[in-house]
Amino acid sequence: SQQGEEDPQALSIQEGENATMNCSYKTSINNLQWYRQNSGRGLVHLILIRSNEREKHSGRLRVTLDTSKKSSSLLITASRAADTASYFCATVHTSGTYKYIFGTGTRLKVLA
Amino acid sequence: NAGVTQTPKFRVLKTGQSMTLLCAQDMNHEYMYWYRQDPGMGLRLIHYSVGEGTTAKGEVPDGYNVSRLKKQNFLLGLESAAPSQTSVYFCASSRRWSGYGYTFGSGTRLTVV
Repeated sequence: SQQGEEDPQALSIQEGENATMNCSYKTSINNLQWYRQNSGRGLVHLILIRSNEREKHSGRLRVTLDTSKKSSSLLITASRAADTASYFCATVHTSGTYKYIFGTGTRLKVLA
Repeated sequence: NAGVTQTPKFRVLKTGQSMTLLCAQDMNHEYMYWYRQDPGMGLRLIHYSVGEGTTAKGEVPDGYNVSRLKKQNFLLGLESAAPSQTSVYFCASSRRWSGYGYTFGSGTRLTVV
């Protein structure tokens, strides 16, 4: 079964607006990562946040993690048409097995 | 940098045929993974390897076999293809520690008719 569930499943916004997508997971994690997938391509790693971190930034990306609620959010500020893609969260358990479990993804469409 | 290379990129198989998907990485990564991606299902882990000569089952291993004879290569085999194995297959690799992200290949689109 999926560890992470992204919300919403699909999101459509205008260029320049901010896009927020959320990820909920089920068990204690070691860290959480966000990936982007452009249509027909492989996934690209965006950002990693460790379980002892609450917020992390990378360029126009801001990720938060709330381990008490078992949830994370990805904020893309000042979105561009090139941000149109699917976004996935991935978690690795604290059990020590180094394999990530991916969520079902949020499809983001940024309209020019 | 080539990163992770998957071959072939597309393939159509008849039910019952066999095939091997090849994944090659040039980053000296210890860990390698095979995922399948289906609409609405996200990515599901088929098998993975934490080093040369080792393999382990993921979430959906049935109907697949893997081998990691060389550190840079991870092969995924379908012995007797079924329509349910129609999917996009992604290979990924990573360093030993889980704190690094995966590097993904561009995928293999497999159709079983």
